[in-house]
Amino acid sequence: NAGVMQNPRHLVRRRGQEARLRCSPMKGHSHVYWYRQLPEEGLKFMVYLQKENIIDESGMPKERFSAEFPKEGPSILRIQQVVRGDSAAYFCASSPQGTTNNEQFFGPGTRLTVL
Amino acid sequence: SQQGEEDPQALSIQEGENATMNCSYKTSINNLQWYRQNSGRGLVHLILIRSNEREKHSGRLRVTLDTSKKSSSLLITASRAADTASYFCATDAGGTSYGKLTFGQGTILTVHP
Repeated sequence: NAGVMQNPRHLVRRRGQEARLRCSPMKGHSHVYWYRQLPEEGLKFMVYLQKENIIDESGMPKERFSAEFPKEGPSILRIQQVVRGDSAAYFCASSPQGTTNNEQFFGPGTRLTVL
Repeated sequence: SQQGEEDPQALSIQEGENATMNCSYKTSINNLQWYRQNSGRGLVHLILIRSNEREKHSGRLRVTLDTSKKSSSLLITASRAADTASYFCATDAGGTSYGKLTFGQGTILTVHP
């Protein structure tokens, strides 16, 4: 049973470009969480999605950031017009249920560098 | 404000010694979890302790939870060089939080062979 997959593992963008980060949850998991980790810091929650629905996006910046989890295919975190402050590691985690007391399984992360 | 804060920020010990890391949090929780992150890698789930539990063991790991003090500790016994990593506590507020986690800043543990 493959774990959570994220790609690309490393992404370099110039300021103003778009970044697309993909996350394939574990088989059988339909709940995805995205977190961002700035250098030397812990992870910060961004958004929680179920298939075709955004449930909680309270941690997502209001502008330039969007997320989706279509019926088919991976979850996508999209950052438009990237700025240097977007440089971070972005992790997704999946869970069989979007409820408390459930372990979240993390992917290896995508490290975004904005030049 | 930061929900979980680990103490110490960095810990350096010799192989075979025990390592203790502490975590404090501010709001009520449904459970608290500990994760390990090796340098440049993803997070590995270590242990989950529910708010009605006081202590939990898993192999060389022992976790305690004191909800009255809003604190938790992670003890790694007989440490090994392979335990070198960053350790994070994460809280789950329960209810309508949908299981989202609030992480602390982490403790960097270095175990010298």
